[in-house]
Amino acid sequence: DVKVTQSSRYLVKRTGEKVFLECVQDMDHENMFWYRQDPGLGLRLIYFSYDVKMKEKGDIPEGYSVSREKKERFSLILESASTNQTSMYLCASSKPTGNTEAFFGQGTRLTVV
Amino acid sequence: GENVEQHPSTLSVQEGDSAVIKCTYSDSASNYFPWYKQELGKGPQLIIDIRSNVGEKKDQRIAVTLNKTAKHFSLHITETQPEDSAVYFCAASMNTDKLIFGTGTRLQVFP
Repeated sequence: DVKVTQSSRYLVKRTGEKVFLECVQDMDHENMFWYRQDPGLGLRLIYFSYDVKMKEKGDIPEGYSVSREKKERFSLILESASTNQTSMYLCASSKPTGNTEAFFGQGTRLTVV
Repeated sequence: GENVEQHPSTLSVQEGDSAVIKCTYSDSASNYFPWYKQELGKGPQLIIDIRSNVGEKKDQRIAVTLNKTAKHFSLHITETQPEDSAVYFCAASMNTDKLIFGTGTRLQVFP
């Protein structure tokens, strides 16, 4: 069974903390994505990585950075967490063939207090 | 860039009735239109997709239609069941690896 696994289901952090969200996939996919999900706003792309050490900004990259040191692992970093970053974060992976299925993790609900 | 609008935001139906969710896209170059279902506590999962060279696709109780002229596509669920209750997302893509998602529809099926 193919899997995208996010390290935490729930996370509570304080304002100003540096936060790491981790994602691992076992499908040998080149592409990995981080999305943010908010009610009424759908899924918005934060960052996209198409290969190890390669990354591309999505629609809402401000306040976030990413790291892809190994093919299977993609990390989202909140350099200094703020309350407006309280949200559900979803990681996904896909093959680099265009117009193809994205496989999602179960999500991390982050609360910044 | 591409923009995808999705309606309605919430939909309540009686078990056995049909449900229809509609999406419109802005860029006529988009050629791939998947639909994802997100159950409570889980990540979205692909349930059906359609490409621009096809007008309709069906898989058991679900079907998707595409009108390229009007730039809209719809998800149809017939004979709804309680397990169809979820959030549904439409998306569009232009031969790229990135999907542009709609805002989601929360479907509730009442027994």
